[in-house]
Amino acid sequence: DSGVTQTPKHLITATGQRVTLRCSPRSGDLSVYWYQQSLDQGLQFLIQYYNGEERAKGNILERFSAQQFPDLHSELNLSSLELGDSALYFCASSVETLNTEAFFGQGTRLTVV
Amino acid sequence: ELKVEQNPLFLSMQEGKNYTIYCNYSTTSDRLYWYRQDPGKSLESLFVLLSNGAVKQEGRLMASLDTKARLSTLHITAAVHDLSATYFCAVVGGGADGLTFGKGTHLIIQP
Repeated sequence: DSGVTQTPKHLITATGQRVTLRCSPRSGDLSVYWYQQSLDQGLQFLIQYYNGEERAKGNILERFSAQQFPDLHSELNLSSLELGDSALYFCASSVETLNTEAFFGQGTRLTVV
Repeated sequence: ELKVEQNPLFLSMQEGKNYTIYCNYSTTSDRLYWYRQDPGKSLESLFVLLSNGAVKQEGRLMASLDTKARLSTLHITAAVHDLSATYFCAVVGGGADGLTFGKGTHLIIQP
């Protein structure tokens, strides 16, 4: 157990809908990262938050957004969902930046039908 | 754009053999990470390599980093079935703190 908690574990929804994925980082970790893993794209970095502020953006679509709250948990919002958004979404956390290890949660498997 | 290439992408080997997975990356970075992923599971951190010449070992796995060659290797010694998994290398760079991952090496170790 990495100490990073993601909910829900599985999510099935219809095209055009909006969903929210939640991540609680390890105790003491200030950075939260979101990644998408799919068969065709592999593991892709989406976005990073550090202590409540957006720190870096990767290949995140405009339909996707995220935020980190004062208690350091983070949410990834996915809207106007398409079939191609079906993937495993991981959250990771680290103490500060990536000079230290990043620990990954169990992931949320999103299926868009 | 930072690119990370792993090879081989698929490896089937016998127990007791040695093998090496290679990870090349395209831009300067002095931080390289190796992760293991079992099917349908999360990513488990194996090694964090933070400087040129860094070498780390854990059990039958040893990882090294050559920042001048932009190359990291993950060496498996006397493989056992329990090491069957997908192994990813990842690099920080390209102007963001996010990890750029290779495509992964799917390793199957046959008894």
